[in-house]
Amino acid sequence: EVQLVESGGGLVNPGGSLRLSCTTSGFTFSDYSINWVRQAPGKGLEWVSLIIGSGNDVYYADSVVGRFTISRDNARNSVYLQMNSLRVEDTALYYCVREGAPYGDARGFWGQGARVTVSS
Amino acid sequence: QSVLTQPPSVSAAPGQKVTISCSGSSSNIGKHLVSWYQHLPGTAPKVLIYENYKRPSGIPDRFSGSKSGTSATLGITGLQTGDEADYYCGAWDDTLRAYVFATGTEVTVL
Repeated sequence: EVQLVESGGGLVNPGGSLRLSCTTSGFTFSDYSINWVRQAPGKGLEWVSLIIGSGNDVYYADSVVGRFTISRDNARNSVYLQMNSLRVEDTALYYCVREGAPYGDARGFWGQGARVTVSS
Repeated sequence: QSVLTQPPSVSAAPGQKVTISCSGSSSNIGKHLVSWYQHLPGTAPKVLIYENYKRPSGIPDRFSGSKSGTSATLGITGLQTGDEADYYCGAWDDTLRAYVFATGTEVTVL
């Protein structure tokens, strides 16, 4: 069974930093791209970032470029999202999401989310 | 705002049909596969449709997807109260080099 478990969320002041982790199991980790998707309170889904299986290519939403860094450790079956210079508008539930077979490029497997609150 | 456009809400009586449109451009829907997601309150989103029209196992055939040009459509027939949720289309966008979700459509069963 594919599982993704996020951790590392919490309350942080504007301008602060936080590191989210996503620990996975149930599949060959290095074969799959992993995304971070967030949902701010009362808002829709927003794609944040993507890292391919090898870790050699990464992509970011314009809203987080230069502030967030995605990385992965294939030996630990884990993905990370380092979030710096956090803003109030980064407050959201952050989901770790796997794409790939059997659902093509659909974001097919989701964790339960880690809540990030940016507030003074 | 999103480069993919959906109606904010649709509604119908139980047993009826609703359709949700997703309008994009040549850099996203016109070139890439479309997925549809269902998001029930308090749960993680779930993929309903992938590769434009395919359903994961366990998704009833009341849900259907189609794509034409730069637009896609999700259909839900035999509407049930359990279908009340937010629905999102998503696709890769070459210009943004990003995956994009539409702003979502709230389905209400009257």
